[in-house]
Formats: sequence, structure tokens, C-alpha cells
Amino acid sequence: QKEVEQNSGPLSVPEGAIASLNCTYSDRVSQSFFWYRQYSGKSPELIMSIYSNGDKEDGRFTAQLNKASQYVSLLIRDSQPSDSATYLCAVNGGNFNKFYFGSGTKLNVKP
Amino acid sequence: ETGVTQSPTHLIKTRGQQVTLRCSSQSGHNTVSWYQQALGQGPQFIFQYYREEENGRGNFPPRFSGLQFPNYSSELNVNALELDDSALYLCASSLGSGRVPDTQYFGPGTRLTVL
Repeated sequence: QKEVEQNSGPLSVPEGAIASLNCTYSDRVSQSFFWYRQYSGKSPELIMSIYSNGDKEDGRFTAQLNKASQYVSLLIRDSQPSDSATYLCAVNGGNFNKFYFGSGTKLNVKP
Repeated sequence: ETGVTQSPTHLIKTRGQQVTLRCSSQSGHNTVSWYQQALGQGPQFIFQYYREEENGRGNFPPRFSGLQFPNYSSELNVNALELDDSALYLCASSLGSGRVPDTQYFGPGTRLTVL
């Protein structure tokens, strides 16, 4: 079992719609959770971090964490074509100084 | 821009050679992590340096080694290059205590091709 699992997609949504990206992780003692966006040929850029159960909102982005279900999600409201990218979920391992990434979900936002 | 820089941008080597990749961390950051990202995959953790000491290591063989300098810049060295080492190598810096996971900011990466 991989430490972090994501649906590879592609996930296609029309412009203006809500995109929902999901991630599950295997290590119950994980403390920190991150979403990164990666454009083709570029390095990952941080979107959000979340540490506590519940929702965290930042502009059009909302991260949701459920530690009991070992589940993290990212909602993108009012999706724009510029949001088209691969979204990576990252989780710190039980050994706090290791971060595990999922393989990413490719999002296509169609005009 | 994260303030994390890496050099070189691209590199082509042949199998069996050795390579050194460099990273300058964001100002004020004392922790550097290195990742390998193969095409279509997420980044894989290689190792982390905190205040010049290795602070954790992923499942990579000993031919992957590193250093961190007093100014917190870092090097990744790979010996006896194999074809499968072809990947994007990412450096990420963070301000850590060495005990709490902290937000990591990535540099632009070095694209290594092994022929």
C-alpha cells in the first residue's frame, strides 16, 4: 500500500464549476498535510497546508481534513482554465521529517 | 518565486558517471530536503538535512549522498549513474526545528538525463 494515494485523473470540469480532489493516506500518526500545484515542466508550488480536522479556506480553495478516515480533499471553486495542472497531496510520515507525495491528480478546466 | 534556487537547470550524463546538484535555500531556512520526481509520478523523498546533519532518509541507495553547508545551501551527489536516475531533482527548503514538520518550498528543479 502506498503512503499517499490519489486518483490520477484526468478530472475534467467546465469553467466556473467546483473541482473536488481527493487524497487518502496510510500513516495514522501523520500530522501535516499539504496541497501543491504543479504545472507541466515546473516545480510544485504550495497551495495550502492543513493540520487540524475540518475545513480551511483560502480564497477559491478549501482544504478538508478527516484524520479518522485518513482523508484529505481540496475543493476549487469557480475553476478557471489557469487552474489546469496536476495537484499533489503531501503528508508527513510518522517519522516527522519525511514527506510523502501522491502521484497527483491531473485537472483540466475547460473554457 | 520561493527564493529557492537550484543549479544547473538541465544536465546530461552517461551511465556510470557522477553528478553533483546544488541548492540554495530560502533566506532564513535551515532545512533542505531533496526529492526525485520521475515522469508522471509524485516526488519521492531522498533525504533531508537540518543544520548540516542528515535528518532523515528515504529508500534510496548509498550512491545518493548529500551535504549541507553552514549557510544552509546543499548538494546532492549521485555516483555510478543508472538510466533510471533520469528524473527531475527537486530541492525544498523549510524553517524547521528538526522535530516538527514544516511547510516546504520548492526550487525550480534540475532535469537530469542519463544516457
